[in-house]
Amino acid sequence: EVQLVESGGGLVQPGGSLRLSCAASGFAFRTYWMYWVRQAPGTGLVWVSHINSDGTSTNYADSVKGRFTISRDNAKNTLFLQMNSLRAEDTAVYYCAKDFRGSSMDSWGQGTLVTVSS
Amino acid sequence: DIQMTQSPSYVSASVGDRVTITCRASQAISSLLAWYQQRPGKAPKLLIYASSSLQSGVPSRFSGSRSGTDFTLTISSLQPEDFATYYCQQADSFPWTFGQGTKVEIK
Repeated sequence: EVQLVESGGGLVQPGGSLRLSCAASGFAFRTYWMYWVRQAPGTGLVWVSHINSDGTSTNYADSVKGRFTISRDNAKNTLFLQMNSLRAEDTAVYYCAKDFRGSSMDSWGQGTLVTVSS
Repeated sequence: DIQMTQSPSYVSASVGDRVTITCRASQAISSLLAWYQQRPGKAPKLLIYASSSLQSGVPSRFSGSRSGTDFTLTISSLQPEDFATYYCQQADSFPWTFGQGTKVEIK
């Protein structure tokens, strides 16, 4: 059974940093693209970032480009999102998700809440 | 970036009703479009991929289609467990983008 478990969320002040982790199990993590998607309270889904299977290619939403960095440790089956220069508008539940056929996401974690506030 | 405009934002429907949700892309895109269902407090669930392919385990009352830049999700006979919010997502090019969502509520 595929499992994705996010951690690392919490309360952080504007301008601060946070590192999210996503522990993966139940599938060959090293062979899959992975994603981060976020959802601000009461609003819709927003795609944040993508990383290919060996970590050599990444993509970002314009709203986080230059501030967020996606990475992975295939030896530890773990996906990361380093978030710097955080803003109030980054407040959201952050989900990690597994790729399906290079065009959708078929398994999701339960999400971790990031709150940016002073 | 490709914008996905989803309509309607809200649907009030009864059990057994046929429900149709549309997503329009801001430019011509491939058929790499997915539909997700999200229940309150839960993670999204993949329903349809590649515009019209039903994800394994998803009931056959869900279907997807495409006409030009318009993509449609149809629920043929609404069931109680289908009351949720639905999102489209394009994967034609990065950055991927979602529609704004359609909330399906009980009439």
